[in-house]
Amino acid sequence: GIQVEQSPPDLILQEGANSTLRCNFSDSVNNLQWFHQNPWGQLINLFYIPSGTKQNGRLSATTVATERYSLLYISSSQTTDSGVYFCAVVGAGGTSYGKLTFGQGTILTVHP
Amino acid sequence: SQTIHQWPATLVQPVGSPLSLECTVEGTSNPNLYWYRQAAGRGLQLLFYSVGIGQISSEVPQNLSASRPQDRQFILSSKKLLLSDSGFYLCAWSVGGLVSQGGSYNSPLHFGNGTRLTVT
Repeated sequence: GIQVEQSPPDLILQEGANSTLRCNFSDSVNNLQWFHQNPWGQLINLFYIPSGTKQNGRLSATTVATERYSLLYISSSQTTDSGVYFCAVVGAGGTSYGKLTFGQGTILTVHP
Repeated sequence: SQTIHQWPATLVQPVGSPLSLECTVEGTSNPNLYWYRQAAGRGLQLLFYSVGIGQISSEVPQNLSASRPQDRQFILSSKKLLLSDSGFYLCAWSVGGLVSQGGSYNSPLHFGNGTRLTVT
């Protein structure tokens, strides 16, 4: 099946700093989503971005499908940005029924 | 708008006891439904998915089973829990009926708030 690798595995920032999280995937995709898992375990949808660029406030994401990677940008980080960021994809091969394959996540800690 | 409900939020069960976790979706019809498990706070693994009533596909062999008795209801069960069944269980839904033979799929998944299960 499709493989998803996220980097870095851990990231520590001071409040106000910018960061870039990367997601590499091993095959063509029909769906790519970025999630933020908060300390209570809730998975918050950040972006649905199988290709192109989107922005939502201080967050933006870019997926270059032909090169099989996606980037999540966080600008002017805040302590509330702390948590785990997941990239997840649906492989384009066969009939997938929308099954997401997750990366292992990036643990982000933002210090005040 | 669509909403997804999972319960209970937390559960502590002894080894060997049965399990039933429930998930319901509102505001949509014929959704695709999914059960994921997260162990040790990293990575989510797909356990089951369903594209219709009574249609269940299992992704990994395990001690658990799933059922879909109604269009918007998805249940995760076990007859006898093992210690290794502990984890965080999340239900998700996506718009159904979008899959072509070529495998194209254009609907994001939306997750419930999860159930934290501890088997003692």
